[in-house]
Amino acid sequence: QVQLVQSGAEVKKPGSSLKVSCRTSGGTLNNYTVSWVRQAPGQGLEWMGGVIPIFDIANYAQRFQGRVTFTADEATTTVYMELNSLTPDDTAVYYCARGLTGDTTSGLSHFYYYVMDVWGEGTAVTVSS
Amino acid sequence: DIVMTQSPLSLSVTLGQPASISCRSSLSLVYSDGNTYLNWFHQRPGQSPRRLIYKVSQRDSGVPDRFSGSGSGTDFTLKISRVEADDVGIYYCMQGSHWPSITFGRGTRLEIK
Repeated sequence: QVQLVQSGAEVKKPGSSLKVSCRTSGGTLNNYTVSWVRQAPGQGLEWMGGVIPIFDIANYAQRFQGRVTFTADEATTTVYMELNSLTPDDTAVYYCARGLTGDTTSGLSHFYYYVMDVWGEGTAVTVSS
Repeated sequence: DIVMTQSPLSLSVTLGQPASISCRSSLSLVYSDGNTYLNWFHQRPGQSPRRLIYKVSQRDSGVPDRFSGSGSGTDFTLKISRVEADDVGIYYCMQGSHWPSITFGRGTRLEIK
């Protein structure tokens, strides 16, 4: 059973940056997309965007555009989420979730972010002065 | 963005009794390929969400057949035929039909009465 393994909890100061990793426990992410979803304390789920590791292409939800960057390593076993200019409102658990790529020749792999059939365990981030 | 409205926001159910959660979208979720990309997730306290249902009514592997999804267009329902203790937590619907917007409902908290 493939798992997504995330990096550990972080405590950050306002204005600083955060980088969270998400690694597949077996094989590569070549046939998958990976979404990032966050959950503020006591709140619901919010899709931040995703990355297509085989193409190293990222897509961002509008409200995070310009402040977040998703990347994948060359081996396509690990993806990263970097969030800048942190505020206390960024205090949340950050999850990665696996999607599919579909037919990679179609140029529509981003559509398959919605699949989310496997989730990481989450990375708790606290932003506080 | 597409708004997903769940109701009720909380549900208290006696063990062995049925439960039903509604999810309504602000626009039809029928995609141009004829499919409807509506998922249901369950999140137990302190755990990651787990997908239960995809494309409205397709149960994920390992999900008991007590869980069923139905609906079309803008109105969808998750039903649990007989609630068990392990079913507590929060249930979310999520739409993936309207790229670039992937949106979740606010969640429905299920507790045992």
